[in-house]
Amino acid sequence: DAKTTQPTSMDCAEGRAANLPCNHSTISGNEYVYWYRQIHSQGPQYIIHGLKNNETNEMASLIITEDRKSSTLILPHATLRDTAVYYCIVRVANTGTASKLTFGTGTRLQVTL
Amino acid sequence: ETGVTQTPRHLVMGMTNKKSLKCEQHLGHNAMYWYKQSAKKPLELMFVYNFKEQTENNSVPSRFSPECPNSSHLFLHLHTLQPEDSALYLCASSQGSLAGGGETQYFGPGTRLLVL
Repeated sequence: DAKTTQPTSMDCAEGRAANLPCNHSTISGNEYVYWYRQIHSQGPQYIIHGLKNNETNEMASLIITEDRKSSTLILPHATLRDTAVYYCIVRVANTGTASKLTFGTGTRLQVTL
Repeated sequence: ETGVTQTPRHLVMGMTNKKSLKCEQHLGHNAMYWYKQSAKKPLELMFVYNFKEQTENNSVPSRFSPECPNSSHLFLHLHTLQPEDSALYLCASSQGSLAGGGETQYFGPGTRLLVL
């Protein structure tokens, strides 16, 4: 699976949009971009995923560049409860086994008043 | 709630003890996973089961022994652990398929293990 690069930490004011970047310059054509987050001492929570088109759900939006070498997770109105570590993961769609997620160190997002 | 439960949530054990961690998923999934998260380190995949068959063992020491009796339950049997095995142990499940993966994983809350 392709490696990803994320900033170590970011701050965001409550009520503002949080834009979390991820670089995956070696991504292959059959690899998806997944985003998870982990609130302190809890299990990771799935947020969103996409292949090449932008995606939106009730939690966030995912913007993938046309060359697919980078993406941005957008939390449109961040709240204090969005404070967490956010992981960007790139994964092959079908591996012949059950799916594997390789977690990096992620971006620690701190939402402040 | 993600539909994946883990018990116990906290566990303290001595190095000579034998204990088991339990994971149950209520999502109708066919693939289940064990991950380990040590302090200040990324999550590490330990084991993968797809349709009750183990498909991945990520070079995990034999003092960790997984068991998957059916697609809804996953156990991690622990014996003669070391203090460095203290960590958050996370279970996850996904739809799974005989052809392969690509689907979303849903995680349980984890078991925080302390080995004395």
